[in-house]
Amino acid sequence: EAGVTQFPSHSVIEKGQTVTLRCDPISGHDNLYWYRRVMGKEIKFLLHFVKESKQDESGMPNNRFLAERTGGTYSTLKVQPAELEDSGVYFCASSYGRGTYNEQFFGPGTRLTVL
Amino acid sequence: GIQVEQSPPDLILQEGANSTLRCNFSDSVNNLQWFHQNPWGQLINLFYIPSGTKQNGRLSATTVATERYSLLYISSSQTTDSGVYFCAPQGWRNAGNMLTFGGGTRLMVKP
Repeated sequence: EAGVTQFPSHSVIEKGQTVTLRCDPISGHDNLYWYRRVMGKEIKFLLHFVKESKQDESGMPNNRFLAERTGGTYSTLKVQPAELEDSGVYFCASSYGRGTYNEQFFGPGTRLTVL
Repeated sequence: GIQVEQSPPDLILQEGANSTLRCNFSDSVNNLQWFHQNPWGQLINLFYIPSGTKQNGRLSATTVATERYSLLYISSSQTTDSGVYFCAPQGWRNAGNMLTFGGGTRLMVKP
């Protein structure tokens, strides 16, 4: 069974540009999560989808970040415009089931560098 | 939100030694996961352990939810155990099921 996949693995962009990260969850997992780790900080939650609906987006830092999950399959996270402080590693995770506390499985992450 | 503290922050072991990593959390939890972040940055699931004790080979974990802590035991450590170990509970107040990560324990196992 394929795990959570993320694309790209690395992205280097200039401040002010736009970047879109993609996450493909484990097949059959309704729950999809985005987390990130910025330099020197802990891994922090960004948001949670149940199928195509946003269940919790309390961790999104500001309106420069837009997450979508059309059709309840893969998800994208767009940063527009990117700022220096957005640099870090963005992780995606998925879990099976709705509204229950299920084990989350993580992708390899996308390392974003904003210059 | 829930606060998570892991100790020690850094640990150096000689191959073959045993160790115990600790995770304290500030609120009741519905779930708790332990991860190993390998040198390539991948988060590997070790345990899903809201309470009780589980064992997987040389690793075992115990969560005492009523006292708000979890322990990860590594026995007969190997160089491949090196990396960062994260504890991540899910507070029961979090309707969104998010994990809250601790700062991690960085482990280096020397041959």
